[in-house]
Amino acid sequence: DVKVTQSSRYLVKRTGEKVFLECVQDMDHENMFWYRQDPGLGLRLIYFSYDVKMKEKGDIPEGYSVSREKKERFSLILESASTNQTSMYLCASSLIQGKYGYTFGSGTRLTVV
Amino acid sequence: KQEVTQIPAALSVPEGENLVLNCSFTDSAIYNLQWFRQDPGKGLTSLLLIQSSQREQTSGRLNASLDKSSGRSTLYIAASQPGDSATYLCAVRAIQGAQKLVFGQGTRLTINP
Repeated sequence: DVKVTQSSRYLVKRTGEKVFLECVQDMDHENMFWYRQDPGLGLRLIYFSYDVKMKEKGDIPEGYSVSREKKERFSLILESASTNQTSMYLCASSLIQGKYGYTFGSGTRLTVV
Repeated sequence: KQEVTQIPAALSVPEGENLVLNCSFTDSAIYNLQWFRQDPGKGLTSLLLIQSSQREQTSGRLNASLDKSSGRSTLYIAASQPGDSATYLCAVRAIQGAQKLVFGQGTRLTINP
């Protein structure tokens, strides 16, 4: 069964820490995405990548960076975690051709204290 | 800018009823529309993917329709069960905007035994 795997289901980090969220897909998808989901705000796109070493800002990139060194892996980095980054983070991937759908991971619930 | 709206925001029905969830979008320039299910604290599970050239898709008790010209989609759930309780999200893959998914806010569905 094809999968998008997020390395952690739950994380608790302290304010100011550098945080890495990892996402791996086994479907040879070109596109990978990071969303955050908050009550009342829905899903918002943070960053996406359409190829290795390529990245594009989404709607809310401030405070985040990303890394894609291999096609199957897309990392979200919080350079200095803050309490307003407490959220559910969802990774997704898709083929670059428009007719295909997205596959999501199971999510990482990050709490910054 | 593409906007997606889901009505109602919440719905509670008795077990066994047939029900319809609604999704509307403002820009008809889409590749496809995807319906997802999300259980509390979990990731998104894809239910149905409808291409822009299609009118409907079916999977078991689920049927999704698409009227691209009017910017509307419906998700029909037949013979609802308590296990159908979840949040249902629709999302469109836009032709513009680097093919990113744009989500509605979701409909929280509760099926009462």
